[in-house]
Order: sequence, then structure tokens, then C-alpha cells
Amino acid sequence: AQKITQTQPGMFVQEKEAVTLDCTYDTSDQSYGLFWYKQPSSGEMIFLIYQGSYDEQNATEGRYSLNFQKARKSANLVISASQLGDSAMYFCAMREPRSNDYKLSFGAGTTVTVRA
Amino acid sequence: NAGVTQTPKFQVLKTGQSMTLQCAQDMNHEYMSWYRQDPGMGLRLIHYSVGAGITDQGEVPNGYNVSRSTTEDFPLRLLSAAPSQTSVYFCASSYLQGAKTEAFFGQGTRLTVV
Repeated sequence: AQKITQTQPGMFVQEKEAVTLDCTYDTSDQSYGLFWYKQPSSGEMIFLIYQGSYDEQNATEGRYSLNFQKARKSANLVISASQLGDSAMYFCAMREPRSNDYKLSFGAGTTVTVRA
Repeated sequence: NAGVTQTPKFQVLKTGQSMTLQCAQDMNHEYMSWYRQDPGMGLRLIHYSVGAGITDQGEVPNGYNVSRSTTEDFPLRLLSAAPSQTSVYFCASSYLQGAKTEAFFGQGTRLTVV
């Protein structure tokens, strides 16, 4: 069964606007971690933001924020004030330390294209 | 700051050839793993290790072997390359400290099997 679902294969956003990338996950664990990574066209994987299952506040890192809805099992990434350099593929990932030996499971990714 | 170093960056193999993708990290991470990335499928886990001498299979282990003789190194061996193994391969490492353990990735290896 798919643990991480990203339903948007590709999105376009106007420069300076905000964009929300959807991520839903499936787990029976109470303790887990959710991560977002960025992969620009150069290919490297860049860590963006982390949200723990017990964190009461939504995570924020600069222009990145997480809309974490635990009951709905969703962890959507919000990029505010989009820049041309934000054009990349974005992956949502989950780690379940108890049941999965710390394995990191990834979604299929969402490609974001920022238009000038 | 070396981080996670993967070699080579590019490789072309003929069907049936074998090769080893190298991965080394200098952060003293217990956990190391190999992923393959294919279009539309995200990153899929091939093999992983939680420490020297300990390895286990991930989601797509067939056709690959790994070993972990030291904390730093985690090579991935393709035993007999097949066109289906054409992919981009990533090595990643992290600490084992519960859920909040960011994974650090190598630069990737683009492998083509002809």
C-alpha cells in the first residue's frame, strides 16, 4: 500500500504568489516524522522542512511552511512568495521509527514551475 | 564538508555486466540506504543498513547486493545489469534518533544499461 500520496504531478505558479503542494500519508504509528525535499533540475536532494507527529505547531522554515492536519493525515507544503529558483520537483517523505526500522518512504513527487 | 559522496556520477553498462556504486559518508551516521528514482515513482528503497555488519532489504532489492563493513561506507553492487536497472541511484545517510532524523543525500548516479 502506498504510504505517501502526492496527487499533483505538476503545478504552475506565478512568481511572488503562494503555492500549496498536497501530501497525504498512511500510518498506524503514533510517532512518525514527515519531511519535504526539493530536487532542482541539477538533481540533488535538498531537505526543506520537518514536522513531527507530536509537534503542536505547524513547522515553518523561511518561505516554507507545513499545513499539518493530523486527523486527516495530511502534511501540505506551502511555499510563499514563489521565486523562479523554486522551480523543481518536491517530494514528501515519512519516517516511522517503530515499525519500519527508520526507513524513509517517499511520494511520487510534484513538479513546480514558477512563471515570471 | 564532504557529507555523502557517491561515485561515479554517470555510468553506462552493457547488459550482464556487473559494477559497484560507491557511497561514503563522514558524519558518523548509523543509518545508510540506497534508493532508485524512476519517473513518476518517486524514490524507492533498495537496501538499507542500521550499522556496520547489518543490512536489510527495502522495497526493490532484486538484482542488488550491499554490505556494510564500516560505518562510513555502503557500496551497492549490481550483479548482472539489466535494462530495467536504468535509473538514477541515490545514497542517503542519517542518525538513528527517532523520527526527527533528516536524511542527507549524495549527488546521485545516473546509470544506463544498454
